[in-house]
Amino acid sequence: KNEVEQSPQNLTAQEGEFITINCSYSVGISALHWLQQHPGGGIVSLFMLSSGKKKHGRLIATINIQEKHSSLHITASHPRDSAVYICAVRSGGNEKLTFGTGTRLTIIP
Amino acid sequence: GAGVSQSPSNKVTEKGKDVELRCDPISGHTALYWYRQSLGQGLEFLIYFQGNSAPDKSGLPSDRFSAERTGGSVSTLTIQRTQQEDSAVYLCASSLGGIQYEQYFGPGTRLTVT
Repeated sequence: KNEVEQSPQNLTAQEGEFITINCSYSVGISALHWLQQHPGGGIVSLFMLSSGKKKHGRLIATINIQEKHSSLHITASHPRDSAVYICAVRSGGNEKLTFGTGTRLTIIP
Repeated sequence: GAGVSQSPSNKVTEKGKDVELRCDPISGHTALYWYRQSLGQGLEFLIYFQGNSAPDKSGLPSDRFSAERTGGSVSTLTIQRTQQEDSAVYLCASSLGGIQYEQYFGPGTRLTVT
């Protein structure tokens, strides 16, 4: 079993829909990251959080430390949101990231 | 300001040859990380530098892989006697160091071993 599990693996939705991507992890963590990878490969950090909730524009990330679960939400989704979204965790005092396998999101106009 | 840069962007090499991949971190970032993304697989950690030291090299898959960092800046990942299974995108990231800081990723080097 991977330390970091994401669901769904693939998600296709219509423009404007509310999107939720889930991440569960099995280890104690110091921080959880949500990353975005567009076709062509560039990775952008969307959020880093260790508790509660963060919001940036149409994106919202939440984390429940007790349940070892995080969600990434996209409101009013747009085709430009189409990308792979990756959850990654830092555990203990380690600097390295352990990654989930990613969720491929496709937003259809 | 300039982000993390990597070179080359693409590298095709023959099996058995050595390759060097370069990473230029964001100026002032003391921490530098190498990751690998193989086709059809997720991202995996290779090695982490704090300054010029590598306190965590646990992700290097074999002794054919090595990395160094000089002057607390540029890092080179070297793969000796490349194998086809080394084909992947090699990503570098940097941060201010410390688990409270975000990591900023470079564009990656796509390595193809023929």
